[in-house]
Amino acid sequence: GNSVTQMEGPVTLSEEAFLTINCTYTATGYPSLFWYVQYPGEGLQLLLKATKADDKGSNKGFEATYRKETTSFHLEKGSVQVSDSAVYFCALSEMINTDKLIFGTGTRLQVFP
Amino acid sequence: KAGVTQTPRYLIKTRGQQVTLSCSPISGHRSVSWYQQTPGQGLQFLFEYFSETQRNKGNFPGRFSGRQFSNSRSEMNVSTLELGDSALYLCASGEGYEQYFGPGTRLTVT
Repeated sequence: GNSVTQMEGPVTLSEEAFLTINCTYTATGYPSLFWYVQYPGEGLQLLLKATKADDKGSNKGFEATYRKETTSFHLEKGSVQVSDSAVYFCALSEMINTDKLIFGTGTRLQVFP
Repeated sequence: KAGVTQTPRYLIKTRGQQVTLSCSPISGHRSVSWYQQTPGQGLQFLFEYFSETQRNKGNFPGRFSGRQFSNSRSEMNVSTLELGDSALYLCASGEGYEQYFGPGTRLTVT
């Protein structure tokens, strides 16, 4: 079945450091890919999305490119801030008669000043 | 537009009891999905409703059920609660590519 694999956390960085969180997926067909972020005590917020191969999703300085050849959707940010500290989830959806999302296990990011 | 709202935000129940959680989607959204979030299992899909019909269902026992009303509001019910049902229950509404999540209901079973 379809699945998403994320790198284990926590990821600990100093402010202004470069961030990469790895995400790979297994899917039949052509899924859409997403990154969601969860701040403490809150629900999930959509950070960015890509709906087809080679699409690049971007938002708030975060980017991810849909790579079909490597089945990956790695999240990157050039310079993290303390306010980016949160849990990040990679997810996919087959988008055929369903809005169901399949999530990775989440990666906790901690940014220190 | 108001976001997805979930009530109650916190709930404490005893083993064997049942519970009903409510979700009000963003106005105009016809799809509502429910997820269970636990530290051990992560985010797991429970079910999805579209225009009052269950469109998809996850691998949960029959104690977990849901429904959607004509105004798109949705409820989920868990009967005969077990300790392992303690979790954050998240509801999402959307149309197509973007799903918007509510803040969740934190259920604690003692």
